[in-house]
Amino acid sequence: QVQLVQSGAEVKKPGASVKVSCKASGYTFTRYYMHWVRQAPGQGLEWLGIINPNGGSTSYAQKFQGRVTMTRDTSTSTVYMELSSLRSEDTAIYYCARDSRTAYDSSGYYCFDDWGQGTLVTVSS
Amino acid sequence: QSVLTQPPSVSGAPGQRVTISCTGSSSNIGTGYDVHWYQQLPGTAPKLLIYGNTNRPSGVPDRFSGSKSGTSASLAITGLQAEDEADYYCQSYDSSLSGWVFGGGTKLTVL
Repeated sequence: QVQLVQSGAEVKKPGASVKVSCKASGYTFTRYYMHWVRQAPGQGLEWLGIINPNGGSTSYAQKFQGRVTMTRDTSTSTVYMELSSLRSEDTAIYYCARDSRTAYDSSGYYCFDDWGQGTLVTVSS
Repeated sequence: QSVLTQPPSVSGAPGQRVTISCTGSSSNIGTGYDVHWYQQLPGTAPKLLIYGNTNRPSGVPDRFSGSKSGTSASLAITGLQAEDEADYYCQSYDSSLSGWVFGGGTKLTVL
C-alpha cells in the first residue's frame, strides 16, 4: 500500500531554513505528483506547492514564492521541501500529500489521496 | 481568510444527520472544479473522505455523501457516530490563484 514517511520534528531560529523529506513507497514514485500542505497550530490547511517527480518541475503558491523550494530524488523515491527565512508564523505541521492525478497525463481528480504523517517545524528564538 | 468558506462548527446527536457547507466563487467551484472533502481526526493527518464531489474512496462508509451545486458544495453525514467527531475540510482548485485551495475547516461535535 502507499506509504509516505516524513522526517522528524525540527526546531529552528527565525531567519534560518528547514528542509523536510518525504519518502514514498508502495507505488511508482514518478507516476504521481506530490504536494506540500501545512497546518499551523489550531488552524486550517494551507497549500504550499506541487512537484512533478517525473522531471522535477514545480509550482508554488504565490504566498511562498521565493521562500520555498521543492526537489526530488528519484533514486530514493523522496521529495523534499525547503522553506527559508523562517519566521514564527511558519510554525506548523508540514505534510506531503500525493496527488490522485497521474503525472504523465494529469488524468484524475485534483485531490490528495494519501498523506504523510506530518513533520512539526517550530520556529522560535 | 480561506478561499472556500465553511461554518466553524456543527453538532448533532448520535444517529442524527448533519450537513457541512462549502462556499466558493466563480474562480474555483463555480467554474467547474471538483470539490473534495477530508476528515481529520485529532492528532492525525487528513484523510480523503469524498472526491470528485460525490465519490467515496473504498472503506469510507456510505453514511458520508457529497453534493455540489453552482458555487457551493455540501458534505452530509447520516447516522452520526461518536467516532465521526473530527475536523472536516473542503478543497478545490482555483484558476485565479493557479493553486489548490481549502476551506477553513468545520469542527463536528457529536453531542
